[in-house]
Amino acid sequence: KQEVTQIPAALSVPEGENLVLNCSFTDSAIYNLQWFRQDPGKGLTSLLLIQSSQREQTSGRLNASLDKSSGRSTLYIAASQPGDSATYLCAVPYGNKLVFGAGTILRVKS
Amino acid sequence: GAGVSQSPRYKVAKRGQDVALRCDPISGHVSLFWYQQALGQGPEFLTYFQNEAQLDKSGLPSDRFFAERPEGSVSTLKIQRTQQEDSAVYLCASSRTGLAGGRFNEQFFGPGTRLTVL
Repeated sequence: KQEVTQIPAALSVPEGENLVLNCSFTDSAIYNLQWFRQDPGKGLTSLLLIQSSQREQTSGRLNASLDKSSGRSTLYIAASQPGDSATYLCAVPYGNKLVFGAGTILRVKS
Repeated sequence: GAGVSQSPRYKVAKRGQDVALRCDPISGHVSLFWYQQALGQGPEFLTYFQNEAQLDKSGLPSDRFFAERPEGSVSTLKIQRTQQEDSAVYLCASSRTGLAGGRFNEQFFGPGTRLTVL
C-alpha cells in the first residue's frame, strides 16, 4: 500500500525567506510525482509534475526534486511572498488513482 | 481553454436526502476521477472512469455512493440517504489519456463541491 507523508504540517515564515517542503512515499515504484497548491475553499492547482526519470523540475521560483530510491521529494520555494500562502499537497500515482499527503499549510507573513 | 468545472459549488443537505454532484471535465479528456477531501486532509480516491467505463470504484465508501459517466464526458456523483460523515469537499479531476503502459498523465482538478450534511 502506498502512503504519502508531508512534513511539516504547517509553516509560517516572513516574506522573502527561502523554504523547503518535504514529501515522502513508501512505495518507490512510482512513475511521477505531482505537487499541487490549494487555496482555502478552492480546488487543486497543479504546480509541477516530475517524471520518475527526472531528478528536478523548475517553474519560476519553484523547484521540485525527486529521489525515488529514498522515497522523497522536496519543493523549494525561493524568495517567498504573501501570495504563496496556501496548502501544498504532493501526490503519487498508485494503480488507478493519485495518493495524496495531508498537505503543508504555508503562511508567508508580510 | 476551459478547465474542469463542477456544480454546485456548495450544497447543504438534510440527513437522509439524496444529492447529485456534477463534473464537466476538460473537453476530450479520456479519464475522469472523483476524490473526497475531508477537512484538513488530502483528497482520497473514490472512483475512476475511462470514457464511459467505470474501471475502478474501490474507493466508494458505501453502496449509498454511485457515479456514472454515460456518454464519456460529463459525470455525476450521487449520494443517497446522506449522513453527516459524508460532509466533505468532492473533487473531480480529468486527464488527457487513460493508463498507457502504466504511466499516468497529469490530472487537472475542478474547484470542488463542498457538501454539508446537517
